[in-house]
Amino acid sequence: SQQGEEDPQALSIQEGENATMNCSYKTSINNLQWYRQNSGRGLVHLILIRSNEREKHSGRLRVTLDTSKKSSSLLITASRAADTASYFCATDGGAQKLVFGQGTRLTINP
Amino acid sequence: GAVVSQHPSRVICKSGTSVKIECRSLDFQATTMFWYRQFPKKSLMLMATSNEGSKATYEQGVEKDKFLINHASLTLSTLTVTSAHPEDSSFYICSARGAFLAGGYNEQFFGPGTRLTVL
Repeated sequence: SQQGEEDPQALSIQEGENATMNCSYKTSINNLQWYRQNSGRGLVHLILIRSNEREKHSGRLRVTLDTSKKSSSLLITASRAADTASYFCATDGGAQKLVFGQGTRLTINP
Repeated sequence: GAVVSQHPSRVICKSGTSVKIECRSLDFQATTMFWYRQFPKKSLMLMATSNEGSKATYEQGVEKDKFLINHASLTLSTLTVTSAHPEDSSFYICSARGAFLAGGYNEQFFGPGTRLTVL
């Protein structure tokens, strides 16, 4: 069953602004991952944060994890038109299976 | 490295026919492969997990006889949608996980997806 909930469902911002997406989950996890999906395409792995980590950076991406609140956030700084895509969080509870959130559709306006 | 391909990328078929979708790990051996289904503007729903040489494990609500999965080798898994109907129209995505790190976390690598349209 889907356990990830993401908000907002859709986000539209101007190029250059920062975009923040949030993800909540219900059960304990080993790690949480963020993926990007361009329309009609497969998933691109962005970043993985382990349950014992609180923050992780990768280029313009910053991910936080709060296991006490069972939530994570993805921040994209200095957004570009090419960042337009859907973003999904996925949790791995240790059963080799990923459970995906509903996703946030991000639109970057030039 | 760690590339996963799917074939075909798009398929249109008539109702009642069967369609086979292939998922290949191109440069690594995939001990486990996963099949997902995605409806428009929705999230990915895991359909089944397959390990090479053994029967697939299906998620609750997924019909085993409808969605046949074969993981015959460490680089190939196939999903066959049998007697397809319009409601089977969807985007099917596979992923593959290797065993690069003994005792460590091995991430899933996703294929580009297959769009199935059943008329």
